Amino acid sequence: DQQVKQNSPSLSVQEGRISILNCDYTNSMFDYFLWYKKYPAEGPTFLISISSIKDKNEDGRFTVFLNKSAKHLSLHIVPSQPGDSAVYFCAATTGTYKYIFGTGTRLKVLA
Amino acid sequence: DAGVIQSPRHEVTEMGQEVTLRCKPISGHDYLFWYRQTMMRGLELLIYFNNNVPIDDSGMPEDRFSAKMPNASFSTLKIQPSEPRDSAVYFCATPRDRGFTGELFFGEGSRLTVL
Repeated sequence: DQQVKQNSPSLSVQEGRISILNCDYTNSMFDYFLWYKKYPAEGPTFLISISSIKDKNEDGRFTVFLNKSAKHLSLHIVPSQPGDSAVYFCAATTGTYKYIFGTGTRLKVLA
Repeated sequence: DAGVIQSPRHEVTEMGQEVTLRCKPISGHDYLFWYRQTMMRGLELLIYFNNNVPIDDSGMPEDRFSAKMPNASFSTLKIQPSEPRDSAVYFCATPRDRGFTGELFFGEGSRLTVL
């Protein structure tokens, strides 16, 4: 039972344009959400997070949006850069370190 | 601090052999997590420790998998006997801070190939 789903395995975007990565979840008890980025042969690194009491959190070029009623979150990257090419994982938790991760979306930013 | 250190980085073994993956966590943290990454299932939590005690091992796929944390500086994940379907990248992770801040630091992973 996949509680956190990333339905798009891959995404290609032109440099300078917006990248939108999506994530859906089924457990309404999740109250904290995170995005991690992973380059080949490296471990995932934390990117940005959002608490369920918010619907938006912004950090530079990265913005995460949370729609609790739809159980959906998205990561926007504006403008996209070639260095953003990586696999992006969303994760959710009920406020503990027991994170549930999605399967990942591979983003390719074309120069 | 050198971060989370895992070894070996790559392991190729034959079916039936014992595999031991090692992790040296960031010092001073109470939690340690073992994850497995596969294409089909993404990042799966296998087990996590708090103060060297296993708290939740519900993600361990079978009795062939076992994990230990004999002290705060070292943890192992063992697969015995290994099977081709165990081929994956295994990650160890610890929190950044003592309080719950959300961020986990991951090691670079151990890529296991079972032939």
